[in-house]
Amino acid sequence: QQQVKQSPQSLIVQKGGISIINCAYENTAFDYFPWYQQFPGKGPALLIAIRPDVSEKKEGRFTISFNKSAKQFSLHIMDSQPGDSATYFCAASSEYSGGGADGLTFGKGTHLIIQP
Amino acid sequence: DAGVIQSPRHEVTEMGQEVTLRCKPISGHNSLFWYRQTMMRGLELLIYFNNNVPIDDSGMPEDRFSAKMPNASFSTLKIQPSEPRDSAVYFCASSFLDRGGEAFFGQGTRLTVV
Repeated sequence: QQQVKQSPQSLIVQKGGISIINCAYENTAFDYFPWYQQFPGKGPALLIAIRPDVSEKKEGRFTISFNKSAKQFSLHIMDSQPGDSATYFCAASSEYSGGGADGLTFGKGTHLIIQP
Repeated sequence: DAGVIQSPRHEVTEMGQEVTLRCKPISGHNSLFWYRQTMMRGLELLIYFNNNVPIDDSGMPEDRFSAKMPNASFSTLKIQPSEPRDSAVYFCASSFLDRGGEAFFGQGTRLTVV
C-alpha cells in the first residue's frame, strides 16, 4: 500500500516558470512533511518541511502548501532555474509518536527538468 | 562535519556471496536509518535504530538481510546470500532522536549482484 502518492512522475518547466509537484497521504498519524531534493549520484537532501499546524511555509523560491483536511501538500518552485533540475521526493513521518524518531515514507519522486 | 559516510560507494558481487555495507553517522546524531532505492519501488525504509537499538525492521525484505549498530558511530547492513534482485542503491541516513524527518543521507552504496 502506497501511503504517499506523488505526481507528476516527470515535469518540464521553462526557466523562470513555476514548478508544482503534488503529494497526497493516507496515514493521519503523519505529522511532519518534508521535501527532499536528489541530484544524480547523490543522496537525498532535505529542502524544506512543514508541520500540519500551518498551511504554508516559504523559504526563498520554495513554498510548501498544506491542506490537512484533504491530506494533500504541494511544493512550488518559483522562478525555476536550470540548477533546480533534479528529482524531488515528498515524504511523511510521525515525529511525535513517542520513543524517538520514526523513518520516512517517501513518494515515488518527480524528475524535474528546467529548460534554459 | 564530514556528513554521513558510507562504504563502499560501489559493490559488484556474484549471486550467493555475502555483502556488507558500512555506515558512519554524523557525530551527535542518535537515530540511524537504512533505505534502499530502486526504480521500481523508489525509496524504502529498511530498518532504523534509536540510540543503537533496532526499533523497526519491518522493511527488511527477507531474512537474508540483517543490520547491526554496535556503537553510536558505526552500523552495518549485511546481505547473505545476495541475489540479483538485491541490486539497488542503499542509503544510510542519520538524525537527532526526535527529528527522523530531518535526516541527513550519505552518498549511498550502489550494489550490483550478477
